[in-house]
Amino acid sequence: AQSVTQLDSHVSVSEGTPVLLRCNYSSSYSPSLFWYVQHPNKGLQLLLKYTSAATLVKGINGFEAEFKKSETSFHLTKPSAHMSDAAEYFCVVSDGSSASKIIFGSGTRLSIRP
Amino acid sequence: DGGITQSPKYLFRKEGQNVTLSCEQNLNHDAMYWYRQDPGQGLRLIYYSQIVNDFQKGDIAEGYSVSREKKESFPLTVTSAQKNPTAFYLCASSPRSGTGKDLNYGYTFGSGTRLTVV
Repeated sequence: AQSVTQLDSHVSVSEGTPVLLRCNYSSSYSPSLFWYVQHPNKGLQLLLKYTSAATLVKGINGFEAEFKKSETSFHLTKPSAHMSDAAEYFCVVSDGSSASKIIFGSGTRLSIRP
Repeated sequence: DGGITQSPKYLFRKEGQNVTLSCEQNLNHDAMYWYRQDPGQGLRLIYYSQIVNDFQKGDIAEGYSVSREKKESFPLTVTSAQKNPTAFYLCASSPRSGTGKDLNYGYTFGSGTRLTVV
């Protein structure tokens, strides 16, 4: 069985400081992992994905994530937060077998203080 | 520009009524999906369709129905049997056939419909 846990429901950082959004997963297979961003009342946009290639994945808008199998983690980071980064972020795990086996985390709301 | 269009953006329904949410894509994608999003929760799969005239139940299909008469369109009907329909509904599509690997090739999401029961 697969699962994904986003460890923080809300993270608040000051503009210009680093961002860390935490995600842990469990999967019986070699999973693919994703981070999506959702701005208020909008659809989800893919930030980055890990599909068994390089463990450090770079995405859009300066975000990156590192797949750590030993820690079953896929944390999302950004060196310097921007006001436009304020949004909801979802960690997603998929074993590739079926659409119903795509599991979305409960989300982390990122707030940016001026 | 190619994309997915969901309409309406906001929808109000009286208890006991059926309502239909529209989802249209011009990406020539084979697979389409409906998800429900509730506050503090991730997305949950309602229905998905791999090809025209075929669809499968997701994790929370009870109280919902869909059709896929055209490749471009995948409307979702929220019936009166859905006990708690107030939620944000997201439609998505992908180029391939509705397997989990589709996420690797990229889902495209619509901008959502917020349904409120009054």
